[in-house]
Amino acid sequence: SQQGEEDPQALSIQEGENATMNCSYKTSINNLQWYRQNSGRGLVHLILIRSNEREKHSGRLRVTLDTSKKSSSLLITASRAADTASYFCATENYGQNFVFGPGTRLSVLP
Amino acid sequence: EPEVTQTPSHQVTQMGQEVILRCVPISNHLYFYWYRQILGQKVEFLVSFYNNEISEKSEIFDDQFSVERPDGSNFTLKIRSTKLEDSAMYFCASSPRTGTGNTIYFGEGSWLTVV
Repeated sequence: SQQGEEDPQALSIQEGENATMNCSYKTSINNLQWYRQNSGRGLVHLILIRSNEREKHSGRLRVTLDTSKKSSSLLITASRAADTASYFCATENYGQNFVFGPGTRLSVLP
Repeated sequence: EPEVTQTPSHQVTQMGQEVILRCVPISNHLYFYWYRQILGQKVEFLVSFYNNEISEKSEIFDDQFSVERPDGSNFTLKIRSTKLEDSAMYFCASSPRTGTGNTIYFGEGSWLTVV
């Protein structure tokens, strides 16, 4: 079954730096989405990228998708302490349900 | 902004007891989901529901679990005879449609602790 796998598992950076998280998956997908989860809270949708797209931007977020490598990256620019959270990628394959990766725990130090 | 709401936010139950987790999806959404997240682990799909019936379920969703949409607004997950390993955060989610570009909106979750 398809599966998103994020790396690194944990990332610690200083405020103002950029944070890059990667996601790899195994099978063809329809789209890939990134979610954020603050500790003990729900999942907040960040951005969706379709399989025919290569890059999308939303505010300080930049997502890329390379379907030939079956991978995606999430870049958070000019990080803030409030960006501290876990970030998950989720893949969808043509009507099948979302499969989440294990997530990257991002810590932004003030 | 409309949101998915879940109750209770936290429940502690004795092993073997039945638990019902409740969800109110976003009002114009047609597809409903339950996911769970064991502490520190990934979010796992349990079941999807459309047109008053289960459309897909994972191998986790065995006979111990059931879902119901008892009225026009609520969507419930029932866990019969809870086990210690059922301790997790359970997320309800809804979406307006399925297919290309579908975004699933999640609730804040219900923490279930089985003791």
